[in-house]
Amino acid sequence: AQSVTQLGSHVSVSEGALVLLRCNYSSSVPPYLFWYVQYPNQGLQLLLKYTSAATLVKGINGFEAEFKKSETSFHLTKPSAHMSDAAEYFCAVSDLTNDYKLSFGAGTTVTVRA
Amino acid sequence: DAGITQSPRHKVTETGTPVTLRCHQTENHRYMYWYRQDPGHGLRLIHYSYGVKDTDKGEVSDGYSVSRSKTEDFLLTLESATSSQTSVYFCAIRGSGDTQYFGPGTRLTVL
Repeated sequence: AQSVTQLGSHVSVSEGALVLLRCNYSSSVPPYLFWYVQYPNQGLQLLLKYTSAATLVKGINGFEAEFKKSETSFHLTKPSAHMSDAAEYFCAVSDLTNDYKLSFGAGTTVTVRA
Repeated sequence: DAGITQSPRHKVTETGTPVTLRCHQTENHRYMYWYRQDPGHGLRLIHYSYGVKDTDKGEVSDGYSVSRSKTEDFLLTLESATSSQTSVYFCAIRGSGDTQYFGPGTRLTVL
């Protein structure tokens, strides 16, 4: 069974500061991992994904994430926050042995202070 | 944009009434999924489909049924809506790279 833990349900950062969102997963097989972003009253948009190629994955809007197998982590970072980064972020793990079903973390809401 | 639409986008209904939500895709994807989103829970899988007339349960399937009579449409039915089914419902398809892409969501309120 797969599961995802996102540490911190709310993160507040200043504009221009580092954004760090933490995600730890459990999986019995090598996983596919995803970060999605949800802006208010919208659906989920794919930010980036790890599918067993490079461990450092670059996504849209300046975000990147690093897969660390030894730590079972897939933390999301952005060097410099922008006001437009205010949103909810979800980490998810895909069960490759079971129709690629996704298990999501509870989400982290990011607010950006001017 | 994965060509996914959901209807209705908003619905208010009363306890005990049946409700059907529709997901429509335009790109002939085999796999389709229904999730519900609730605060503190992220998204949880209700049911999914791996082809026409082929469906299976997810982790929160009680009180829901689904049907897929053609590739482009995946219907989610609440046979008798309850207040605990007040939620935002998202449909997704499995697209390129085995990645799921999501529709815009349906906000359902059961009074």
